[in-house]
Amino acid sequence: GAGVSQSPSNKVTEKGKDVELRCDPISGHTALYWYRQSLGQGLEFLIYFQGNSAPDKSGLPSDRFSAERTGGSVSTLTIQRTQQEDSAVYLCASSPGLGIADTQYFGPGTRLTVL
Amino acid sequence: AQSVTQLDSHVSVSEGTPVLLRCNYSSSYSPSLFWYVQHPNKGLQLLLKYTSAATLVKGINGFEAEFKKSETSFHLTKPSAHMSDAAEYFCVVISDYSSASKIIFGSGTRLSIRP
Repeated sequence: GAGVSQSPSNKVTEKGKDVELRCDPISGHTALYWYRQSLGQGLEFLIYFQGNSAPDKSGLPSDRFSAERTGGSVSTLTIQRTQQEDSAVYLCASSPGLGIADTQYFGPGTRLTVL
Repeated sequence: AQSVTQLDSHVSVSEGTPVLLRCNYSSSYSPSLFWYVQHPNKGLQLLLKYTSAATLVKGINGFEAEFKKSETSFHLTKPSAHMSDAAEYFCVVISDYSSASKIIFGSGTRLSIRP
């Protein structure tokens, strides 16, 4: 079946512009996660959705970052007034929503470059 | 507090020789432990996970890992490396199940395979 998809695969933007990153999870998965992966680093947790609600937004680095999920499916991560330090690969994952120790299924990521 | 340390940022082995990727963790409670693999330009994929059942866990592609509580380790092994094993490997620990932000990813080990 279809896995997790993310779009765009690559995004180059100028400092100060807003960007939207999209994630389509596996159908039926109620949990959705966003992570940021910087060069040579592990994954940095950003936000977690259970259904349409986000019980844990603690990883969002600043108020320039926001995310929403609609219909218990597609999620968008928005970064306003992008900065060069926002350059990274943004990964989305989904899981069946049975618990925190669920297996996560990852998308291929969106590589964001801020010039 | 929980944490995870991948002891080697880069491991290089010859094709056909054993692979050992080391992971140590600290945890206040009974942890769940995972290994994920990330091939270039792909999302992370679960290799195997330990969730308090058998301490020797077998995963996909011939990999296995042993949970050693006394050594707080969860090292990943494979008897014979294949060229297709070249990838980035992440060790993950969860011991606080209260929130997704408590899922801790290691910084990764890049595995290279020499012909």
